Amino acid sequence: EVQLAESGGGLVQPGGSLRLSCAASGFTFSDHYMDWVRQAPGKGLEWVGRTRKKTNSYTTEYAASVKGRFTISRDDSKNSLYLQMDSLKTEDTAVYYCARVRSSGHSHDYWGQGTLVTVSS
Amino acid sequence: DIQMTQSPSSLSASVGDRVTITCRASQGISNYLAWFQQKPGKAPKSLIYDASSLQSGVPSKFSGSGSGTDFTLTISSLQPEDFATYYCQQYNSYPLTFGGGTKVEIK
Repeated sequence: EVQLAESGGGLVQPGGSLRLSCAASGFTFSDHYMDWVRQAPGKGLEWVGRTRKKTNSYTTEYAASVKGRFTISRDDSKNSLYLQMDSLKTEDTAVYYCARVRSSGHSHDYWGQGTLVTVSS
Repeated sequence: DIQMTQSPSSLSASVGDRVTITCRASQGISNYLAWFQQKPGKAPKSLIYDASSLQSGVPSKFSGSGSGTDFTLTISSLQPEDFATYYCQQYNSYPLTFGGGTKVEIK
């Protein structure tokens, strides 16, 4: 069974940093691109970014709203995905989901349960 | 960026109704369109990918159609467990973008 479990959320002040993790199990993690998607309270879904797999040199893509502040990385030996968030703003407050990208294309097939990040003074 | 516009933003329907939600892309996206269902406090769940392919384990009452800029999600006979918010998403180009969502409520 595919499982994705995010952790690391919490309360952080504006300008601060936070690192989210996503632990994957039930599939060959190294075979898949992985994404982060967020959802501000009461709002819709916003794609944050993507890391490709080793055969694609672990290259990344980011939404303009986080580019230069957020960094996505992965550790295939630990079946883990990470989101390093720096220079946080109040508008980054959201539930952050990790999502697996299906092998046959670029859409998401499995999602984690999410972790809440609150940026507030 | 490609803008995704869903309509309606909300609808009220009865159990057993046939429901159709539309999604329009601001430019052609071929068939690179997915649909997700989200219930309150839960993660999104994949329903449809590549515009019309059913995610494994999703009941066949859900169907998708369309290509280019106009897409639809149809629920053939609405059941109590289908009351939720539905999102479309394009993955033709970066950044991936979602529609604003359609909330399906009980009439």
